[in-house]
Order: sequence, then C-alpha cells, then structure tokens
Amino acid sequence: QKEVEQDPGPLSVPEGAIVSLNCTYSNSAFQYFMWYRQYSRKGPELLMYTYSSGNKEDGRFTAQVDKSSKYISLFIRDSQPSDSATYLCAMSRNDYKLSFGAGTTVTVRA
Amino acid sequence: GAVVSQHPSRVICKSGTSVKIECRSLDFQATTMFWYRQFPKQSLMLMATSNEGSKATYEQGVEKDKFLINHASLTLSTLTVTSAHPEDSSFYICSAPDPNEAFFGQGTRLTVV
Repeated sequence: QKEVEQDPGPLSVPEGAIVSLNCTYSNSAFQYFMWYRQYSRKGPELLMYTYSSGNKEDGRFTAQVDKSSKYISLFIRDSQPSDSATYLCAMSRNDYKLSFGAGTTVTVRA
Repeated sequence: GAVVSQHPSRVICKSGTSVKIECRSLDFQATTMFWYRQFPKQSLMLMATSNEGSKATYEQGVEKDKFLINHASLTLSTLTVTSAHPEDSSFYICSAPDPNEAFFGQGTRLTVV
C-alpha cells in the first residue's frame, strides 16, 4: 500500500466549475499537508499549506484536512483554463521530507 | 517567497558519462536540501537528503555510489549521476526548506542516450 493515495485522473471540467481533488494517507504521523501545482516540465509550486486538521481558504482555493479519516481535499472554485495542470498532494511529519501523491491531471475547458 | 535555482534545466548525455546538477538557494541558507526524482506520469519520489557539511542520507533502494551528493555550502547542493544509463533518464528536482515551507527548483530533465 502506498503511503499517499491520489487518483491520477485525468479530470476534465468546464470553465467555471468547481474542481474537487482529494488524497488519502496511511501514516498517522503526518502533520503538515500541502497541495502543489505542477505545469508540464516544470517544478511544483506550492498552492496551499495546512497544519493539522481543519479548513484553509485562499482566494478560489480551499484546502481541507481530516486527520481522523486520513483524508485531505482541495477545492478550486470558478475554475479557469489557466488552472489546467497536475495537482499533487504532499505531506510530511516535521522534517520537510515530503511524501507525494501520484498527482491528478486537471483540464479546464474554455 | 524564497527562490531555489536549479541548473541545468535540460541535459542530454551519452550512456556511461556523468552529469552534475546544481541546486542553489538564492536568498536564504539551507542546511538541508532534498533531491527527488519523477518518472513520466508518476509522482515525485524522495531520493536523498543533502546535509551541509556532512554525508547525504539516501532512501531505500537509491544507490549512493551512483547518485553522488555534495552539499559544500549553505546555498549549494549538487547531485552527480555517475555512469549514467538510459534507465536514469528522469526529471530530477531539488527542494530546500525554510521555516514555513519547502521550495522547489525548476527541475532538470535528464535524457541518457
């Protein structure tokens, strides 16, 4: 069993729709939860960073962490074609070594 | 935010040769840097942790004699792929943490022919 599970998709939505992404994990020691966006042939860039359980909102992005269920989510509201990318969930204990999900490829259709 | 610069962005080399990849933290000091590898359509996998002034620590299954890591200063870590083979072709990415998050380099696309 992988430490972090993420459905690779692909996921295709029309412009303006809500994009819903999620990951599950098995290691209860994870405390830091992140979502990265990666464009083709580029390094990942941090979108959201959450410590422990709860919700965090930043503009059109909302991240949710449910440690009791070992489940994290990212929602993108009012999606735009420029949001088309691969979204990676990542998590760590407290040592900055990140364990990544497989990444979900998202396409927002104009 | 902080910037991590990785060079080169793309390299093609012949089988059997060695390739060096540099990772620099431009505006902060990084006592630790991480090296990841990403195969096509797969996620990033941690290869090793680079520690300034001491030996790198490698993840299980990563050959330390093949992937040489040097972290000689607080702003520079290098990964050398020695005697590269086609199966080493991959996307290599470095990461450097500061107190709040991990910053990634742009990545290096290595193709061994």
